[in-house]
Amino acid sequence: SQTIHQWPATLVQPVGSPLSLECTVEGTSNPNLYWYRQAAGRGLQLLFYSVGIGQISSEVPQNLSASRPQDRQFILSSKKLLLSDSGFYLCAWSVTLARTGEQYFGPGTRLTVT
Amino acid sequence: GNSVTQMEGPVTLSEEAFLTINCTYTATGYPSLFWYVQYPGEGLQLLLKATKADDKGSNKGFEATYRKETTSFHLEKGSVQVSDSAVYFCALRVDFGNEKLTFGTGTRLTIIP
Repeated sequence: SQTIHQWPATLVQPVGSPLSLECTVEGTSNPNLYWYRQAAGRGLQLLFYSVGIGQISSEVPQNLSASRPQDRQFILSSKKLLLSDSGFYLCAWSVTLARTGEQYFGPGTRLTVT
Repeated sequence: GNSVTQMEGPVTLSEEAFLTINCTYTATGYPSLFWYVQYPGEGLQLLLKATKADDKGSNKGFEATYRKETTSFHLEKGSVQVSDSAVYFCALRVDFGNEKLTFGTGTRLTIIP
């Protein structure tokens, strides 16, 4: 069966520090991968998605970036964090070109920028 | 464009009450429809789905029927439990190669004993 991992689970970082969040998927090949952010008490904002290694689409211009160095690895980064980057970051995957297109989510990383 | 509108929360119910969370959508194509649930501090879990008109998705006592004529996908449960307390998200995916989901803003449900 497929599983999705995210780490770290919790992170507290000062303003201006760098960020690296990692997501890996097991049990599937060539998945679509997604990064979402959920601000406190709010809905989901799609940040990036990827349909293959090295292929990244950005949904919202900001100081975050994403990379996909391996088929089942998706990394979210920032060179300098802002207070507004605080939130709950969720990684998700889906089957490429699936008829129904449901996404499966990881456990999330809670980021607090101080 | 595509959008999903959910009923405003929070919703508070007593245990064993009947639950309805409304969801309506607009879509440029023929969407697949989903309900996700998020328990406190966790990621989203797929609760149920429906892929064509009149399909009924069901799971864990929850049901939702794909109503194309009213562009709706309301979530229902006959008798809620305290363990159903969570945030519920309605979502759609338009079936023409677009891999992205469009989510509603979520409805927070609290069940009191």
